[in-house]
Amino acid sequence: GAGVSQSPRYKVAKRGQDVALRCDPISGHVSLFWYQQALGQGPEFLTYFQNEAQLDKSGLPSDRFFAERPEGSVSTLKIQRTQQEDSAVYLCASSLVEASYSNQPQHFGDGTRLSIL
Amino acid sequence: KQEVTQIPAALSVPEGENLVLNCSFTDSAIYNLQWFRQDPGKGLTSLLLIQSSQREQTSGRLNASLDKSSGRSTLYIAASQPGDSATYLCAVTPRGAGSYQLTFGKGTKLSVIP
Repeated sequence: GAGVSQSPRYKVAKRGQDVALRCDPISGHVSLFWYQQALGQGPEFLTYFQNEAQLDKSGLPSDRFFAERPEGSVSTLKIQRTQQEDSAVYLCASSLVEASYSNQPQHFGDGTRLSIL
Repeated sequence: KQEVTQIPAALSVPEGENLVLNCSFTDSAIYNLQWFRQDPGKGLTSLLLIQSSQREQTSGRLNASLDKSSGRSTLYIAASQPGDSATYLCAVTPRGAGSYQLTFGKGTKLSVIP
């Protein structure tokens, strides 16, 4: 389809393992966002890309979290040395234009549900 | 720090009723406010976006209002249907730096009973 695609849909990892979550934004969308949604909570902002440039990573909870978008399309969120508190749904969103001072809506994928045992 | 509160946390209504969902935010310096719908195991679908200079937006049976000075928004759903059952999330973006950062409430879980 033409929406934001995330993979895998579910990921189970043991504490201490590294994981990588993928996001394919809507084709041609300039802006890409990652959010973390804990159970029963609203999503929380993690990071923002404009094309390949990571302009804001203020929401990343620790230096174990790393995101990249090397060619300005697909993005990967990597979590190193996972811990139980990393268990959450990770949502990716994209929007058509540069996001600052824009009233374009963000289009969300279905997320990756990460469970750390 | 901006805080967004949604009341009630859950709501159950019979089919056909009109209903109102409430959202409040602590910092009135917002750029826009959005209402989203989230179905179980799914991502968010944007329903309505109200710019800070606007008072309301309408789409079909949905009407959202914004009173920025009092830090409140309401989402009105007319003639509710079972297909409206979902969690509804309100989110605001700040005026100034980071105007793309959505700050969400915890949502209102709506059940429409046939």
